[in-house]
Amino acid sequence: GNSVTQMEGPVTLSEEAFLTINCTYTATGYPSLFWYVQYPGEGLQLLLKATKADDKGSNKGFEATYRKETTSFHLEKGSVQVSDSAVYFCALSNNNAGNMLTFGGGTRLMVKP
Amino acid sequence: SQTIHQWPATLVQPVGSPLSLECTVEGTSNPNLYWYRQAAGRGLQLLFYSVGIGQISSEVPQNLSASRPQDRQFILSSKKLLLSDSGFYLCAWSRGGQGQETQYFGPGTRLLVL
Repeated sequence: GNSVTQMEGPVTLSEEAFLTINCTYTATGYPSLFWYVQYPGEGLQLLLKATKADDKGSNKGFEATYRKETTSFHLEKGSVQVSDSAVYFCALSNNNAGNMLTFGGGTRLMVKP
Repeated sequence: SQTIHQWPATLVQPVGSPLSLECTVEGTSNPNLYWYRQAAGRGLQLLFYSVGIGQISSEVPQNLSASRPQDRQFILSSKKLLLSDSGFYLCAWSRGGQGQETQYFGPGTRLLVL
């Protein structure tokens, strides 16, 4: 079956620090990969996605590269801001009925000024 | 553009009372629809999904049920709430079909069962 594993939080960084949140997956075939962000008290927002190997998704300074050889989709940002404080979810979607997403457990990021 | 609405935003209900949460999508036709639950400090659990009117698939056995009376309306219900039903309920939609489409989430409903 499909599964997603991401590093446990919380991750606490100072403003302008470099961010990496690790995500690895298990899936058959060629899944699409996603990062969602959840700000306090809100629903999930799509942050970025990649649909095939070696694709790089990017948005708002965040990047993640679809690495099929290591089955990974690590999220990175060169310089975090306090406003980036949120919970980040890695997810995959595989070709199946209903187009279901499999989520990782989420990683809480706290950025301090 | 497409939008997704959920209501109510917050709900406090006594144990044993009924529940009805509503989700509607605008700006698209024949979407796939999903209900997720997020317990405090934890990840998301898929509860139900629907690929069409009247078509509901359940992912986990539980105290809840779902219905899709109209193409863009998805309702989550319970006849008798349990304490363990407390959580943050998220509705999502994606374009219909078998492709690996992006899911878009609503703002969520926070349910507290006392």
